[in-house]
Amino acid sequence: QSVTQLGSHVSVSEGALVLLRCNYSSSVPPYLFWYVQYPNQGLQLLLKYTTGATLVKGINGFEAEFKKSETSFHLTKPSAHMSDAAEYFCAVMVSGNTPLVFGKGTRLSVIA
Amino acid sequence: GAGVSQSPSNKVTEKGKDVELRCDPISGHTALYWYRQSLGQGLEFLIYFQGNSAPDKSGLPSDRFSAERTGGSVSTLTIQRTQQEDSAVYLCASSIEPNQPQHFGDGTRLSIL
Repeated sequence: QSVTQLGSHVSVSEGALVLLRCNYSSSVPPYLFWYVQYPNQGLQLLLKYTTGATLVKGINGFEAEFKKSETSFHLTKPSAHMSDAAEYFCAVMVSGNTPLVFGKGTRLSVIA
Repeated sequence: GAGVSQSPSNKVTEKGKDVELRCDPISGHTALYWYRQSLGQGLEFLIYFQGNSAPDKSGLPSDRFSAERTGGSVSTLTIQRTQQEDSAVYLCASSIEPNQPQHFGDGTRLSIL
C-alpha cells in the first residue's frame, strides 16, 4: 500500500476553506487516518476511517470523506484558523498487524 | 502522565557511539511502534511490537538497529556504531490493540556529529 499527498505546502488565508489531498493505493479495504504535527511535537490523531459512514468528522473542525471509487481521503475544514498551521499526514493501514504507511506530509500555512 | 513518553527528548552523540532511546507507552496498550522521521524521507516504519514480541521488524534499516520490549510495556531502541545518516527524529507510538489508532510521543531528536 502507499499514500500520496498532493502538495508539500499549502497556503490559505484565515477564514478560507482548507483542502488537503490524499490518495491511497491498497489491495484491500484500508483503514485511513489523518494526523497533525505541530513543531517539535509528535503526531496527533485528527480523524480516522475504518468502516461505516464515509464522511468522518474529527477534532478542531476537520472532516474527511472516504471515496472508494477515487481512492481518496481528502481532509477539509470550512474556515482556517491561524492555529491550524502545522504539518498534516495522511496514513493507511490495511490490517491490524501492519504498520501505518504515511504520506510525505503537507505543510499548511495560514495567512492573516 | 497519560500519553506516550519518550526519553531523552534530544540526544547529540559522536559518530561511532551507541545510543539507546526509550519509549514508555500508554498503560494498557499492547501494541508499540517505532518510526523514524527525517528530512526528505518522511515517516518510516522501523519495528512493531505486540506484547513483548516483534512480529514485524521489516523496517529496521540495518543490523546496527535493534529493539526490545519488556513486561509488555517499556521499549528500547538501540543504535550501534551510529552514522551521520542516523540523524533523525525517532517517534514511538502505542495503541490499545493493533487495529486501533496509534498515539504518538513527542519523539527523540538524534543528532550524530
